[in-house]
Amino acid sequence: DTEVTQTPKHLVMGMTNKKSLKCEQHMGHRAMYWYKQKAKKPPELMFVYSYEKLSINESVPSRFSPECPNSSLLNLHLHALQPEDSALYLCASSQVGGSTKQYFGPGTRLTVL
Amino acid sequence: SQKIEQNSEALNIQEGKTATLTCNYTNYSPAYLQWYRQDPGRGPVFLLLIRENEKEKRKERLKVTFDTTLKQSLFHITASQPADSATYLCALVPRSNFGNEKLTFGTGTRLTIIP
Repeated sequence: DTEVTQTPKHLVMGMTNKKSLKCEQHMGHRAMYWYKQKAKKPPELMFVYSYEKLSINESVPSRFSPECPNSSLLNLHLHALQPEDSALYLCASSQVGGSTKQYFGPGTRLTVL
Repeated sequence: SQKIEQNSEALNIQEGKTATLTCNYTNYSPAYLQWYRQDPGRGPVFLLLIRENEKEKRKERLKVTFDTTLKQSLFHITASQPADSATYLCALVPRSNFGNEKLTFGTGTRLTIIP
């Protein structure tokens, strides 16, 4: 199984809502990532988890809160988002260390009203 | 400042010809460079990886070159097909981030193969 799954596929939320994005992989990868991608732009790294510990936070606003409950799951909790946070949110996983490729999920298309 | 630029935002190539995409970087010392393909509304898919001490890698109709003196990677698709139409992204990991896999993506090239 070389698949990364993400739910939901689409999410519309108001600025006062709290929602969560979910990501799952069963490839035994111990590095997991959240990226944000705006239209016609490349993915931008938000967070990296290595062995279930947060190893990189790219100065992301606190209204985005990541969580890695176990080696297969990665969540992104959303609260008090702004319309400019509307984007495609991509999850990825990879082996840790060395030159390894990342496997991406299909993304969650988020719209903040 | 650090930059990774793919100098064609869009590229149209006739079917059967070779498509060549360019990735230039500034103020990076990459440990390795990767190329991904992304279709609309989908996540990127890994294609090829080349290390700093390698000059060329091939996989079927794909070829990547890496010139650390020119600070450039070229990505070639030979015998191009309409199914190759997609956005292609280069991405690198600097030596300073080697081991934590912090990928930084280039600006992307939208390739269209015309039948």
